[in-house]
Order: sequence, then structure tokens, then C-alpha cells
Amino acid sequence: NAGVTQTPKFRVLKTGQSMTLLCAQDMNHEYMYWYRQDPGMGLRLIHYSVGEGTTAKGEVPDGYNVSRLKKQNFLLGLESAAPSQTSVYFCASSTPFYEQYFGPGTRLTVT
Amino acid sequence: AQTVTQSQPEMSVQEAETVTLSCTYDTSESDYYLFWYKQPPSRQMILVIRQEAYKQQNATENRFSVNFQKAAKSFSLKISDSQLGDAAMYFCAYRGLRGSSGDKLTFGTGTRLAVRP
Repeated sequence: NAGVTQTPKFRVLKTGQSMTLLCAQDMNHEYMYWYRQDPGMGLRLIHYSVGEGTTAKGEVPDGYNVSRLKKQNFLLGLESAAPSQTSVYFCASSTPFYEQYFGPGTRLTVT
Repeated sequence: AQTVTQSQPEMSVQEAETVTLSCTYDTSESDYYLFWYKQPPSRQMILVIRQEAYKQQNATENRFSVNFQKAAKSFSLKISDSQLGDAAMYFCAYRGLRGSSGDKLTFGTGTRLAVRP
């Protein structure tokens, strides 16, 4: 039982490049989330999904897209990376109403 | 919309002593969950404790306990017999039971706890 995994763990991009972060969970959770964490700002919700095939915007969705084609996977895409997207990205999953389980995080640097 | 406030950006405690981290929240809902998460230098977010609003009894997990004051909308975390491994960032979080507030967590900005040997 791996819980929540994220790929990759580190990535460096140049401005304008694109990439996809992959989140996978093996707990059969309905809900999945993508957060970014910046110094002094806690965790901010980017996008989330309450079920396969559904997604919704969070607090800071601009510049990101997501897809939930399979229940166990939640993809976060950056179409044209900007330095402001330098951050640590966390994926999480949960059952309705209960605590979220987090992945180990991805450190992304955009130069 | 719900908000969660952690007014102590940093705290320090002597090893083996007790420390209390503060959290207040604002909500119009009567049923909800509150959580404390720990984030050590490894970055992994770890659930410390959970409190259901309908329970009057304060939650306890080993050395960690909460003081839940529903009327005051206060949810503080007490760490007893502090250990060096308790040094971390601690986040308070809120989750409702229905609608959009039930779909996601609202986090505070965190309190960084240092433990002095």
C-alpha cells in the first residue's frame, strides 16, 4: 500500500516550457487535490476533483490545468511555465468529509 | 467562506516541556471537522489529530491533545513532553460536512515549532 505518490520529486523548467505532474493513489479515494506551498503562505488549493471525470477550481487555478481520467490518478499540467510557478506542489486524496492523505511533494523551479 | 487563523508564526519550547499552538476559525456551519497536520523538514504532511465538532470530548493522541472550544471557535494543540522530533511546521485545517466546504480543507498559514535541547 503506497498511499499517495507523486512523480517527479524535483524538476527544473525554463520559462515557457510545459510539464505534467502525476499523482497516484491506491486507497480508492473519491477526492483528489493539488496544492502549492510557498513560504509564509501555507497550502493553497489549485484544483480538485470529487470523482473520476470531474474537476473544479480551487483558490489559485490560473496557469494550471488538471485531468482525472482514472479514479486513482490526478494530473496537473503547466502549459507555459512562469517563474511565479516556482513552488512545492502537493497532491492529496481523501474520502468525503475526512482527513486528506498527502503525497511527498514535488519541488518545481522555473528559471 | 470559512477561514482559519494561526496567529503564532513561530514558537519555541524546551525539550520535555509543554507547548500550546493556537488556532481560531470562522464558520457559520454547525457540523464540521478540525485537523492538525505536522510538516517536518522532510516536507511530508502528517495528520496529528482530528476533532469532530459534534463531540464535546477533546481528542487525544499520545502526547498530543486539543482544546476545542466550539462557541469560541478555537482549536488549540497541546504537545506534552516535547521531543526534538516534534520540531516542524504545524497547520490547522477545517473541513465542513456538506457542500463545497465539505469537498476541501481550509488551512491556516502554519506555526513553526522549534524544540530546544
